[in-house]
Amino acid sequence: DAMVIQNPRYQVTQFGKPVTLSCSQTLNHNVMYWYQQKSSQAPKLLFHYYDKDFNNEADTPDNFQSRRPNTSFCFLDIRSPGLGDAAMYLCATSRVVSGGGDTQYFGPGTRLTVL
Amino acid sequence: KQEVTQIPAALSVPEGENLVLNCSFTDSAIYNLQWFRQDPGKGLTSLLLIQSSQREQTSGRLNASLDKSSGRSTLYIAASQPGDSATYLCAVRGNTPLVFGKGTRLSVIA
Repeated sequence: DAMVIQNPRYQVTQFGKPVTLSCSQTLNHNVMYWYQQKSSQAPKLLFHYYDKDFNNEADTPDNFQSRRPNTSFCFLDIRSPGLGDAAMYLCATSRVVSGGGDTQYFGPGTRLTVL
Repeated sequence: KQEVTQIPAALSVPEGENLVLNCSFTDSAIYNLQWFRQDPGKGLTSLLLIQSSQREQTSGRLNASLDKSSGRSTLYIAASQPGDSATYLCAVRGNTPLVFGKGTRLSVIA
């Protein structure tokens, strides 16, 4: 029944040790997004894919990368996590990037802890 | 650049009260506005979606209104319950993906 699935739900990594977060969807949506949400802050868009077209937000650090090998899966790679990267990472999907009559569906999130 | 503000940042009310959460946005050229609920340490649960052509949406004890021209939305919660305690986020969608406010943290005291 789940439509947007994120694994793992909780991830602990060490300072500087690369980590990959996973998102999959059963909606067959064209667009997949990654948001970062720090404590008591608004979710902040890192990047999104429209099909295979990658769109990076201007202020997303180079430390964050993403891969989308197929329609269903999207990965967030953090090359060298710092303490400031500890956050909730939210994956979302939609049919189109903007416009009415469409909405973004969110996964349950992955909480990343950096030791 | 779209900016979304939510007031108040935190709110504590006794059980049974009706309450209003506020959301404002700077660019009125939006397609829709969405209210989400977030429990501590959890992901987002969509509550209500209002299209730009609509004035309000209702779901159970929740009613959301939209005044697009003034850049405002309100979420009205009737007869609040302790189970309503959570953070409520407002997000708008225009020619960009969803832009979020920081949320209002609601505590309903039994």
